[in-house]
Amino acid sequence: AQSVTQPDIHITVSEGASLELRCNYSYGATPYLFWYVQSPGQGLQLLLKYFSGDTLVQGIKGFEAEFKRSQSSFNLRKPSVHWSDAAEYFCAVGANSGGYQKVTFGIGTKLQVIP
Amino acid sequence: DGGITQSPKYLFRKEGQNVTLSCEQNLNHDAMYWYRQDPGQGLRLIYYSQIVNDFQKGDIAEGYSVSREKKESFPLTVTSAQKNPTAFYLCASSESGTGYRNYGYTFGSGTRLTVV
Repeated sequence: AQSVTQPDIHITVSEGASLELRCNYSYGATPYLFWYVQSPGQGLQLLLKYFSGDTLVQGIKGFEAEFKRSQSSFNLRKPSVHWSDAAEYFCAVGANSGGYQKVTFGIGTKLQVIP
Repeated sequence: DGGITQSPKYLFRKEGQNVTLSCEQNLNHDAMYWYRQDPGQGLRLIYYSQIVNDFQKGDIAEGYSVSREKKESFPLTVTSAQKNPTAFYLCASSESGTGYRNYGYTFGSGTRLTVV
């Protein structure tokens, strides 16, 4: 069974500082990995996804993530955080299960941005 | 623009009542999903449907029911058997099959259900 661990429940960074959100996954084969962002009271928006190939993936809003198979990690990064990045971030792992996308989500990391 | 519409945004339910949450998509996606979100617990899968007139239970289906009579619509009914229904409910859709390049969900903006 697949699983996702986001070890940080809350993270606070200063505006303009760099950001790294951690994600570890468990899956027997090559995983499909995702990062989603959720603003308060809203649905989730896909930031980026990894399936194969280049292990550094670029996403929207200036985010990137790096897949490291040896560490079973898929950490999300941004060089300079903006106040509008304050939100909750979810890492997810997907797999093909009987012809449908079975996606398991982490519990989320809430990002606070201070001036 | 294509997307998923969930309604209502806020819903209040009295004890013992059934309520139905609406989810409509115009993305021509085959697969649709319902998730429940509680603080500190992430998203938990309630039901999913890969094609019209077919759906499967997810991890927490007890106390919920769904129907999939049209490709565009996947309503969720929260029944009186659901003992703790207060939560944020999210509907999502995706292309089906094994074409991994199309993987990734599109989410609606959610319905917040509160028991009063």
